[in-house]
Amino acid sequence: QAVVTQEPSLTVSPGGTVTLTCDSSTGAVTSGHYPCWFQQKPGQAPRTLIYDVGNRHSWTPARFTGSLLGDKAALTLSGAQPDDEADYYCLLSYNGARVFGGGTKLTVL
Amino acid sequence: EVRLLESGGSLVQSGGSLRLSCVASGFTFGSCAMSWVRQAPGKGLESVSSISGSGSSTYYADSVVGRFTVSRDNFDNTLYLQMTSLRAEDTAVYYCANHFGNTYIYDALDIWGQGTMVTVSS
Repeated sequence: QAVVTQEPSLTVSPGGTVTLTCDSSTGAVTSGHYPCWFQQKPGQAPRTLIYDVGNRHSWTPARFTGSLLGDKAALTLSGAQPDDEADYYCLLSYNGARVFGGGTKLTVL
Repeated sequence: EVRLLESGGSLVQSGGSLRLSCVASGFTFGSCAMSWVRQAPGKGLESVSSISGSGSSTYYADSVVGRFTVSRDNFDNTLYLQMTSLRAEDTAVYYCANHFGNTYIYDALDIWGQGTMVTVSS
């Protein structure tokens, strides 16, 4: 089974910009992996932020942008807010088998 | 408003069985694939099982193949996960989630439920 890798933790200053990445052990991440991003705050269920590379959910603020960056999927947060402090998970699809990354703990400090 | 409400989680002994349910409302249930995702205490997310909108196609993670069975009742708008031969490593919060469309291969996860806790004691 493929392994999906994310940065374990990142820190961003309020108002700053940070990029989270999602790497696949099988090679370059493409649109065919239908990369998605989820946000989870302590004690809450995850919620979908970005799907199919760069599509925002109806509730996703415009400061979150999904993309392909080199061989990885990426989530860029521009103008970080204290409320953005959370765990972020990416998800890649391998012909129906969906594999989550280990998650990135984002601190806004 | 789309709502997903899981139930059925409890404390069970190793080797035991449990059936989880997820009642859906606010969308055309039979038109959406559904998935179960779990999260062990303090750990990350793991995709467990998925089922197409019609129920004709299913997916299972290697860790649960042969032990878990996903099914759905499109008349009652309910998703199920039958879990047998439970192990300590199955201890987790189990979330159900719907997909944007009928297939779990191409359609992304949309809305998540609040989860139900399964604890397997050894």
